[in-house]
Amino acid sequence: LAKTTQPISMDSYEGQEVNITCSHNNIATNDYITWYQQFPSQGPRFIIQGYKTKVTNEVASLFIPADRKSSTLSLPRVSLSDTAVYYCLVGLYNFNKFYFGSGTKLNVKP
Amino acid sequence: GAVVSQHPSRVICKSGTSVKIECRSLDFQATTMFWYRQFPKQSLMLMATSNEGSKATYEQGVEKDKFLINHASLTLSTLTVTSAHPEDSSFYICSALMGGGGTGELFFGEGSRLTVL
Repeated sequence: LAKTTQPISMDSYEGQEVNITCSHNNIATNDYITWYQQFPSQGPRFIIQGYKTKVTNEVASLFIPADRKSSTLSLPRVSLSDTAVYYCLVGLYNFNKFYFGSGTKLNVKP
Repeated sequence: GAVVSQHPSRVICKSGTSVKIECRSLDFQATTMFWYRQFPKQSLMLMATSNEGSKATYEQGVEKDKFLINHASLTLSTLTVTSAHPEDSSFYICSALMGGGGTGELFFGEGSRLTVL
């Protein structure tokens, strides 16, 4: 299984850039890496998805090294509303299943 | 993005009763849907994979007779918690898969909080 490992928590201040790294050592060749954000009592919300190198959208960037055994979600200039739990998810290609790791609780302070 | 709707968002029931939670993909067809449960301050735990027109595949440790899953159409999956007990109280979240394989994108419902008295 493509197990993921992330830091349990991170603290940041408003306006800073935050980088959250996820390791997925046994990622399969065809697996994509997806990051989700979850607020309390809500379902996870899609942030960004990538396969290799770098992907950028209006809210985040995703950096994936050549070996794809890790990925880094970069949130530019965070605000208080970015306080949430962030999960990286790697699809289990052959069995089409998606397991969540522990996630990273980001706490943004004023 | 695509929309997945869950209903009800909150339900309170007495111990011993059954509760049904619906999960609908509103603007796409989902051959595969997933059911997760989440306890306070914990991650989402995959309970089962629901495939349209076939029996659900349950994760190890999840009682299939306790958590009945039906995926009768490409836009609807239901989870029925049978003879609910207080320990079944949790946040249940469904997701629908658009696309497939490692490239598929998961869209999540808003979640349903079940409280069993």
